[in-house]
Amino acid sequence: QSVLTQSPSVSGAPGQRVTISCTGSSSNIGAGYDVHWYQQLPGTAPKLLIYGNSNRPSGVPARFSGSKSGTSASLAITGLQAEDEADYYCQSYDSSLSGWVFGGGTKLTVL
Amino acid sequence: EVQLVQSGAEVKKPGESLKISCKGSGYSFTSYWIGWVRQMPGKGLEWMGIIYPGDSDTRYSPSFQGQVTISADRSISTAYLQWSSLKASDTAMYYCVSAWAVASYFDYWGQGTLVTVSS
Repeated sequence: QSVLTQSPSVSGAPGQRVTISCTGSSSNIGAGYDVHWYQQLPGTAPKLLIYGNSNRPSGVPARFSGSKSGTSASLAITGLQAEDEADYYCQSYDSSLSGWVFGGGTKLTVL
Repeated sequence: EVQLVQSGAEVKKPGESLKISCKGSGYSFTSYWIGWVRQMPGKGLEWMGIIYPGDSDTRYSPSFQGQVTISADRSISTAYLQWSSLKASDTAMYYCVSAWAVASYFDYWGQGTLVTVSS
């Protein structure tokens, strides 16, 4: 059972907008720790997608955006493309565990 | 260019020991944390532990404390993850990651080392 909770799967048609949620608690997201998102394409290592709740590393398209409120965070993808089909993971820090924590991951299927 | 290059795939028997490596380049190795993330077959990411090569400060996830040992050799910019007695349940892909501070994000990832433990 992951410390951060994500829906197992989400799907959307090309061009549509999808959101992926990440729910934590008062010892991680709710404690003010930032949320970060990673994209894992099939058969590859994860890649940093969003850092510090809403910032995009160089090279990440503006179609990807992140937000955080209270004990939750969200990743939004607009203008869905076939190459966005991947697993997405949220990550934060937990003060009770004194360590980094991940969500269980959400599999995005582009219909 | 920052790179984390991991050692190759391993096939081991239960009870055997193993040490896998992660060599950092393109940055100051002693100024960033190096961690390890496990991904079991078909499963999600799990943070195992992390080390600050500058002073060898090492922290473990409660789930992995006592199960693995993380170390680093500053002279060759390499971090290690080791097991003294492998179990079949250690079969997984292991990624090394870099972080600029405690509680920060993992900005760089190694390519992964697949460890297979089977009799």
